[in-house]
Amino acid sequence: GAVVSQHPSWVICKSGTSVKIECRSLDFQATTMFWYRQFPKQSLMLMATSNEGSKATYEQGVEKDKFLINHASLTLSTLTVTSAHPEDSSFYICSATSYGFRSYEQYFGPGTRLTVT
Amino acid sequence: RKEVEQDPGPFNVPEGATVAFNCTYSNSASQSFFWYRQDCRKEPKLLMSVYSSGNEDGRFTAQLNRASQYISLLIRDSKLSDSATYLCVVNYNTDKLIFGTGTRLQVFP
Repeated sequence: GAVVSQHPSWVICKSGTSVKIECRSLDFQATTMFWYRQFPKQSLMLMATSNEGSKATYEQGVEKDKFLINHASLTLSTLTVTSAHPEDSSFYICSATSYGFRSYEQYFGPGTRLTVT
Repeated sequence: RKEVEQDPGPFNVPEGATVAFNCTYSNSASQSFFWYRQDCRKEPKLLMSVYSSGNEDGRFTAQLNRASQYISLLIRDSKLSDSATYLCVVNYNTDKLIFGTGTRLQVFP
């Protein structure tokens, strides 16, 4: 099956700093990648959808200037949390899909646990 | 009202028990339905798709009632390894997946 990796798997940073999370599709070309956030005991919430080579589409309530998404190649998307605050501490998960996959067929990365102190 | 609602549980059941989870969705335009499993601190993994006619995969049976906008998952002969959070997921025939908050299952010996 299709494999998606994320790096780092966990990160601790200080308030006010920026953190970059990478999402890679290892054995397929990911034309679309999704970024989700999950707080403890809550659902996965879609933050944004990114298509290779174009700007990301953010969900309502997600600050695009705070959560910078770059999908520069067909195998890599990055999420940068800028000026992180403790309330940004969460589990960030990416997923990827491709042309030829069914519309709902997404492959998830293992997630990145971010703790902001 | 949340788009996809689930009883959060936890459901604590002994090994060998049969347990059922329910899920309701609010958007009648929903096209595809799934159950995902998520282990603690891990990514969600697709357990099974849910078809209108109902479908079975080993010990797992999924049902869909479009008229009532209701989805169910039945697990028979529960194993310790079934302990996880089960996520009800809906798709509106686009790329987006809408996740429920999940129902936590704990199977004890």
